[in-house]
Amino acid sequence: AQSVTQLGSHVSVSEGALVLLRCNYSSSVPPYLFWYVQYPNQGLQLLLKYTTGATLVKGINGFEAEFKKSETSFHLTKPSAHMSDAAEYFCAVSGDNFGNEKLTFGTGTRLTIIP
Amino acid sequence: EAQVTQNPRYLITVTGKKLTVTCSQNMNHEYMSWYRQDPGLGLRQIYYSMNVEVTDKGDVPEGYKVSRKEKRNFPLILESPSPNQTSLYFCASSPGNRGWNSPLHFGNGTRLTVT
Repeated sequence: AQSVTQLGSHVSVSEGALVLLRCNYSSSVPPYLFWYVQYPNQGLQLLLKYTTGATLVKGINGFEAEFKKSETSFHLTKPSAHMSDAAEYFCAVSGDNFGNEKLTFGTGTRLTIIP
Repeated sequence: EAQVTQNPRYLITVTGKKLTVTCSQNMNHEYMSWYRQDPGLGLRQIYYSMNVEVTDKGDVPEGYKVSRKEKRNFPLILESPSPNQTSLYFCASSPGNRGWNSPLHFGNGTRLTVT
């Protein structure tokens, strides 16, 4: 069965610093990988997705993620944090796992930006 | 505006009193799904529907019912709510009919409290 692990339920970074949110997955190949963001009192919004092709995926709001098959990782980064990036971030993985097509979410990482 | 609309946003009820949370999407999406979000557990799928009159259980279906009589609507029914169903609920839809390889569009959530 596929699974997603997000390391760190809470991450704090200073404004202007690098944002790195970690996501490791287990799945059959090829996986589909997603990052979603949830702002306070809102539903989840798609940040970016990886299906096939280029392993570096660019998303909205300056975020990007790199698919590393050898490390089964899909970490989310942003070079310079902004106050508006404060939110909860969810990694999700899906794939055709012996006919069990399913989307699995991680438990989320709450990002706090320190002024 | 393309959106998924859930109602109500907040609901407080008592144990055993039947309730319905409505969900409607205006994007002509085939796939719709309900999730619950609990601290430390991420999002867990309750039920999903790949098309009209087609519904199936997700990971945590006990205590819930759904119906899909029309493409745009996917209500969540709690016949006899219990306190362990206190949670934040999200409805989501996607253009594919599988829900695992297309990005999901989420509603803004329904916070349910059962006393």
